[in-house]
Amino acid sequence: SYELTQPPSVSVSPGQTARITCSGDALPKQYSYWYQQKAGQAPVLVIYKDSERPSGIPERISGSSSGTTATLTISGVQAEDEADYYCQSADSTGKYNYVFGNGTQLIVL
Amino acid sequence: EVQLLESGGGLVQPGGSLRLSCAASGFSFRTFALSWVRQAPGKGLEWVSAINYNGQSRYYSDSVKGRFTVSRDNLKDTLYLQMNSLTAEDTAVYYCAKGNQASGAEDYFAYWGQGTLVTVSS
Repeated sequence: SYELTQPPSVSVSPGQTARITCSGDALPKQYSYWYQQKAGQAPVLVIYKDSERPSGIPERISGSSSGTTATLTISGVQAEDEADYYCQSADSTGKYNYVFGNGTQLIVL
Repeated sequence: EVQLLESGGGLVQPGGSLRLSCAASGFSFRTFALSWVRQAPGKGLEWVSAINYNGQSRYYSDSVKGRFTVSRDNLKDTLYLQMNSLTAEDTAVYYCAKGNQASGAEDYFAYWGQGTLVTVSS
């Protein structure tokens, strides 16, 4: 199987910058996608194709990818950003086309 | 406005069956692939199945292959998931998600339903 690895949690104070990483061997060849999921709600797409932002997503949320690591960056963190964040990608063989990371809980102190 | 509304969840005994539905509106249903994604209580997201725009290509995770069947009715704008031989490990909220492409082979999800809870227990 193919795995995407995220840290279980990231803690930041309001106004600081949060960085959530996603590691996977196929990331140099595959796009990464990021979802935000608040408690009791459905996931929301916040980044697609490594760094593109859907309409309605604030500019302080950004994405990047380098080598085997994709990174979601939230600048000027606000209390409303507290949520679980999941990366999604695919492996390079075509066998595992929909893989989610294990998720990262963003804690706003 | 894109809307996805799941239904059909509930309590089912181990070994039983259940059929989920996802009624779609607000987009050209017949031109996009769709997926089912589930989330066990307190756990992360797990992709379950995808179907391409015309229903000719279907994809499944290893954990449900041979037990679940995805289908769609492009006249009714509805996606289905037939779940058989259910076990406790299938207990989860099941989300319907709209793909961004027609093929279903690899995609991401800009739109999600609110989910329907399936509980497998005796």
